[in-house]
Amino acid sequence: QSALTQPASVSGSPGQSITISCTGTSSDVGSYNLVSWYQQHPGKAPKLMIYEVSKRPSGLSNRFSGSKSGNTASLTISGLQAEDEADYYCCSYAGSGTFLFGGGTKLTVL
Amino acid sequence: EVQLVESGGGLVQPGGSLRLSCAASGFTFSSYWMHWVRQAPGKGLVWVSRINRDGSDTKYADSVKGRFTISRDNAKNTLYLQMNSLRAEDTAVYYCARDAGSSCHDWGQGTLVTVSS
Repeated sequence: QSALTQPASVSGSPGQSITISCTGTSSDVGSYNLVSWYQQHPGKAPKLMIYEVSKRPSGLSNRFSGSKSGNTASLTISGLQAEDEADYYCCSYAGSGTFLFGGGTKLTVL
Repeated sequence: EVQLVESGGGLVQPGGSLRLSCAASGFTFSSYWMHWVRQAPGKGLVWVSRINRDGSDTKYADSVKGRFTISRDNAKNTLYLQMNSLRAEDTAVYYCARDAGSSCHDWGQGTLVTVSS
């Protein structure tokens, strides 16, 4: 059960778009359309941003979108805003009722 | 409004035990699978365990299998995590989460467990 691989950090300027990748294997990300993404601000609980690869929870900004190709899932944030600065985690169903999180990516808004 | 409130965390010695609780409200608790997720200080999120609607099916991460037990009381709208044989590496904030679409849709605020002598 190795963690999914995410870049440690990404950055972008306000108004720009950024993409965070999440690489797994054919046993997790590649096998199931059950990838979710979470935003976590310091000292706060995580918040669901994307589920089932590309679905947004009700009320969430459409600036956040998700996709998947092979063993890699991606989260794209468009029109970057200061409040988007946070840690982001991917998670995938890994079969047999288990789940795997990525190591997390720190997003800095310049 | 969905509310999940964890409790039961604290300081425990290595080898000791602790039981966490997660009180749920604002939704039909018995209709949802539930998860426990933990986060060591300064580290990332780690999935710990999951339980189905009636408690008959449970799954665990390898790191806690055989030591932790997830359970639920649907009459009390409460999720539990019994943690035995605790190790220093179990030190973390423990979150309960409601499952929807095989994701952790709603989260509690977390409870801190510190394993230290």
